[in-house]
Amino acid sequence: DQQVKQNSPSLSVQEGRISILNCDYTNSMFDYFLWYKKYPAEGPTFLISISSIKDKNEDGRFTVFLNKSAKHLSLHIVPSQPGDSAVYFCAASATGANSKLTFGKGITLSVRP
Amino acid sequence: DVKVTQSSRYLVKRTGEKVFLECVQDMDHENMFWYRQDPGLGLRLIYFSYDVKMKEKGDIPEGYSVSREKKERFSLILESASTNQTSMYLCASTLQGVLNIQYFGAGTRLSVL
Repeated sequence: DQQVKQNSPSLSVQEGRISILNCDYTNSMFDYFLWYKKYPAEGPTFLISISSIKDKNEDGRFTVFLNKSAKHLSLHIVPSQPGDSAVYFCAASATGANSKLTFGKGITLSVRP
Repeated sequence: DVKVTQSSRYLVKRTGEKVFLECVQDMDHENMFWYRQDPGLGLRLIYFSYDVKMKEKGDIPEGYSVSREKKERFSLILESASTNQTSMYLCASTLQGVLNIQYFGAGTRLSVL
């Protein structure tokens, strides 16, 4: 049973526009959520996170929104740049889980020049 | 900066061989993880360790074992490699109880022929 779902496998946006990447989860014990970015032939790199006590966290061009009642989070990238083209993984963890993360399947973002 | 180093970027092995994948981190992290990444399947946890000589099975441990003799080093062992173990293998580490941000190595692309 997939506890973290990224239902859209890919997204293509024009440079300068907003990219919105969505993620849903089913486990109500999850209380911390992260986004990772991965380029081909490289390891994932941490991008941004949000605790369940917040509904928004912003870092430069990246903003993550959390809707706990809907068990949904989204990553907004504004403005999108060609260098943002990568696979984005949503991940979630629960307090006391020995730092284990549950990952979604990833979304491939392509930003067109 | 946290550094997680995986000993090989690319490996080619034959079916039935015993394969060792090595991972070293330099930040005195307690927790270390091994994942595999396959297209359309995201990151799946194979094994993790929260202390020296301690290990726990992840979601897909079959066909794998691990070793953690020193805090900084976590090895993944394929006892008898099979073609369905051809994959990208990723190692990660994190401090115990600190916001669960995992830091990843660059990955090892393993091909089993």
